[in-house]
Amino acid sequence: SQTIHQWPATLVQPVGSPLSLECTVEGTSNPNLYWYRQAAGRGLQLLFYSVGIGQISSEVPQNLSASRPQDRQFILSSKKLLLSDSGFYLCAWTNYYNEQFFGPGTRLTVL
Amino acid sequence: GESVGLHLPTLSVQEGDNSIINCAYSNSASDYFIWYKQESGKGPQFIIDIRSNMDKRQGQRVTVLLNKTVKHLSLQIAATQPGDSAVYFCAEKGAGGTSYGKLTFGQGTILTVHP
Repeated sequence: SQTIHQWPATLVQPVGSPLSLECTVEGTSNPNLYWYRQAAGRGLQLLFYSVGIGQISSEVPQNLSASRPQDRQFILSSKKLLLSDSGFYLCAWTNYYNEQFFGPGTRLTVL
Repeated sequence: GESVGLHLPTLSVQEGDNSIINCAYSNSASDYFIWYKQESGKGPQFIIDIRSNMDKRQGQRVTVLLNKTVKHLSLQIAATQPGDSAVYFCAEKGAGGTSYGKLTFGQGTILTVHP
């Protein structure tokens, strides 16, 4: 069966510090991968998606970047965090039938 | 751009009652819809989906109805239980190969089930 992992689960970072969040998927190959951000009490905003290694599409202009160095690895990064980057970050993957499944999320607090 | 929204942000029901959560979507070209359940501090959990060539789909205690004429989607939960308390999101996917499976999410409805 397929599983999706995210780490860390929680993170507290100062403004201006770098960020690296990691997502890995097991049990499938060449999945479409997605990064979402969810503000407290709000819906999900798509940040990036990737259809293959090295292929990244950005949905909204922002302070973040994404990379896909391996087939089942998706990384969300920032060189300098802003207060507005705080939120719940979710990674997701899509199967052949376009069913999208989410990871457990990373709670990021920027102070 | 296209948007998916919910009519009711909160819904409170008694245990054992049936719950209906509604969603309106604006992209008439969407061909796939999903309902997710999200518990506090967790990622959204896939509940049930429906494709645009269907009007109704049933799962275990859940039914999704799609009315393409008025662009409306609903989730019905039978015999609601306290464990059903969560935020429920609808999501839609645009048609075509260039959608890459991207979903547009609604705001969410908070369902509270009272014992």
